[in-house]
Amino acid sequence: QKEVEQDPGPLSVPEGAIVSLNCTYSNSAFQYFMWYRQYSRKGPELLMYTYSSGNKEDGRFTAQVDKSSKYISLFIRDSQPSDSATYLCAMSPFGFGNEKLTFGTGTRLTIIP
Amino acid sequence: DAGVTQSPTHLIKTRGQQVTLRCSPKSGHDTVSWYQQALGQGPQFIFQYYEEEERQRGNFPDRFSGHQFPNYSSELNVNALLLGDSALYLCASRPGVGYGYTFGSGTRLTVV
Repeated sequence: QKEVEQDPGPLSVPEGAIVSLNCTYSNSAFQYFMWYRQYSRKGPELLMYTYSSGNKEDGRFTAQVDKSSKYISLFIRDSQPSDSATYLCAMSPFGFGNEKLTFGTGTRLTIIP
Repeated sequence: DAGVTQSPTHLIKTRGQQVTLRCSPKSGHDTVSWYQQALGQGPQFIFQYYEEEERQRGNFPDRFSGHQFPNYSSELNVNALLLGDSALYLCASRPGVGYGYTFGSGTRLTVV
C-alpha cells in the first residue's frame, strides 16, 4: 500500500465549476501538507501549505486537512482554463532532517472553456 | 527575484555514462533537496542537503550522490547510468524548517 493515495484522473470540468481534489494517507507521522500545481514540462509550483487540521483559504483555493481521517482536499472555485494542470498532494513529517516530501501520483485536471 | 534554477534543461546520455546536474537555490534559501519524477508519477525523494552535508536520503542506490557548496548551490551526480534513470530531476529549496519547498523547472535526462 502506498503511503499517499491520489486519484490520477483525468478530471474534466466546465469553466466556472468548483473542483475537488483529494488525497488519503496512511502515515500518522505526516504533519505538513501541501498542494502543488504542475504544468506540462515544468516543475511543481507550491499552491497551499498547511500543518494543522481545518481549512486554509487563498483566493480561489481552499485546502482542507482532516488528520483524524487521514484525508486532505483542495477545492478550486470559479475554475479557469489556466487551472488546467496536474495537481500533486505532498506531505512530510515534522522535524529537522526528517522533511522528505512524499507525493501522490497527481491528478490531471482539464477545465473546458 | 530568480527562483530555483537548474542546468542543463535537457540532457541525453548513453547507458553506463556519468552525469552531473546543477541547482542554484532561491535567494535566502539554505536547504536543497533533489527529486526524481518519472513520467506520470509524483516526484520521489533522492536526498536533502543542509550546511554542505547530506541530512536525509531516500531509497536510491549509491550511484546517486550529491554535494552542496558554501553558496548553497548543489550538484546531483549519477554514475553508471541505466535506462531506468531516464526522468525529470527536480531541485527544491526552502528558507528554513516549517516552510514549503520551491521547485525548479527540472532537468530532463534521457538515457539511451
